[in-house]
Amino acid sequence: DAGITQSPRHKVTETGTPVTLRCHQTENHRYMYWYRQDPGHGLRLIHYSYGVKDTDKGEVSDGYSVSRSKTEDFLLTLESATSSQTSVYFCAISDGDGGGKLFFGSGTQLSVL
Amino acid sequence: GQNIDQPTEMTATEGAIVQINCTYQTSGFNGLFWYQQHAGEAPTFLSYNVLDGLEEKGRFSSFLSRSKGYSYLLLKELQMKDSASYLCAVRDGAQWSNYQLIWGAGTKLIIKP
Repeated sequence: DAGITQSPRHKVTETGTPVTLRCHQTENHRYMYWYRQDPGHGLRLIHYSYGVKDTDKGEVSDGYSVSRSKTEDFLLTLESATSSQTSVYFCAISDGDGGGKLFFGSGTQLSVL
Repeated sequence: GQNIDQPTEMTATEGAIVQINCTYQTSGFNGLFWYQQHAGEAPTFLSYNVLDGLEEKGRFSSFLSRSKGYSYLLLKELQMKDSASYLCAVRDGAQWSNYQLIWGAGTKLIIKP
């Protein structure tokens, strides 16, 4: 199994508070992604990274920011959490081809009350 | 626009065969992927098709017809552990970049004894 871990696994927070989710990989893969998964929707890309300090927006990036200061770590921040950001968040990594065969972390269940 | 359609839910019997269909409309095409996701867990990669035809891998096979925008995942000799959601995803080379997949909402497969 690919070495990818997410933390925390579960989090409950209040509207308006900042939240940071962490993704850590031990595979030295270049590409890292943050997705959210909601019932009735496919996985939706929030942000992705193609190298240290190289990040770009996905289809649902509003309200989210990311940082990648090291190859192994990719952080997702909700600057001011809203109830619409209640979701399951998955981090994923891929090697050379930049998307397709992804390895996912175990996910973070985030509830914003 | 882009769209990926899969049936929401299917039921099959242990030991039988089931076919899960996926149709897609994307502005570009650069590969189709199937993932398996057990409840409460992360998606895991099953198969990849980029050329027309059938790819077989043990009890699982995946078929692609690019001209029809159609794929299916065929599961043989069903086992109870195959109860999961099956996600279809297309890599759209005409998207903002080549780094992203467009995901279907998934098909929940229920296996009955």
